[in-house]
Amino acid sequence: QQQVKQSPQSLIVQKGGISIINCAYENTAFDYFPWYQQFPGKGPALLIAIRPDVSEKKEGRFTISFNKSAKQFSLHIMDSQPGDSATYFCAPVKWMDSSYKLIFGSGTRLLVRP
Amino acid sequence: GAGVSQTPSNKVTEKGKYVELRCDPISGHTALYWYRQSLGQGPEFLIYFQGTGAADDSGLPNDRFFAVRPEGSVSTLKIQRTERGDSAVYLCASSLRSASNSYNEQFFGPGTRLTVL
Repeated sequence: QQQVKQSPQSLIVQKGGISIINCAYENTAFDYFPWYQQFPGKGPALLIAIRPDVSEKKEGRFTISFNKSAKQFSLHIMDSQPGDSATYFCAPVKWMDSSYKLIFGSGTRLLVRP
Repeated sequence: GAGVSQTPSNKVTEKGKYVELRCDPISGHTALYWYRQSLGQGPEFLIYFQGTGAADDSGLPNDRFFAVRPEGSVSTLKIQRTERGDSAVYLCASSLRSASNSYNEQFFGPGTRLTVL
């Protein structure tokens, strides 16, 4: 049962462009909606996160837009840079079986061309 | 300060062998998680420790997998009779204690890449 669907699978953007990654979820019991960034050989690192009572959050070049009724949230990277090239995961969080669990999407591999 | 560390960074073993993977969490973090990340996929939850006890082991795929955290700090993930399908990156994460109404960020280590030949 796939609870989180992430798209696109891969994305190529020119330097300075906007990167948009989408995440759709099936369970309404999520408590927190983070995006993680992962570089090769490294573990995922929290990039930005939003709570379900907020529709948008911006931190520098990174923005999360959250649509609760559509059960979707997206990551926008403005002025994309080659250093942003990485794999991005949405990982909504829910309390289940005595712990908070991150339910990771399948990832989006972003390549920003110089 | 030091982040989550994992050793070894790479482990190659033969089918049927036993392996141990180690995780050193961030100092002061009482919650510790193990995840498994297969190639081209997102991490999947395996087990969660709060202190010394395994509070949630619902993600362990079968009884060949076991994890311990005897002193509430370092944790070891143990895999018996390894199979080729166990090949993946095993990630450890730690956080401050979380409760049902209070989520604390999980910080991930770099992972151990396990290859079963």
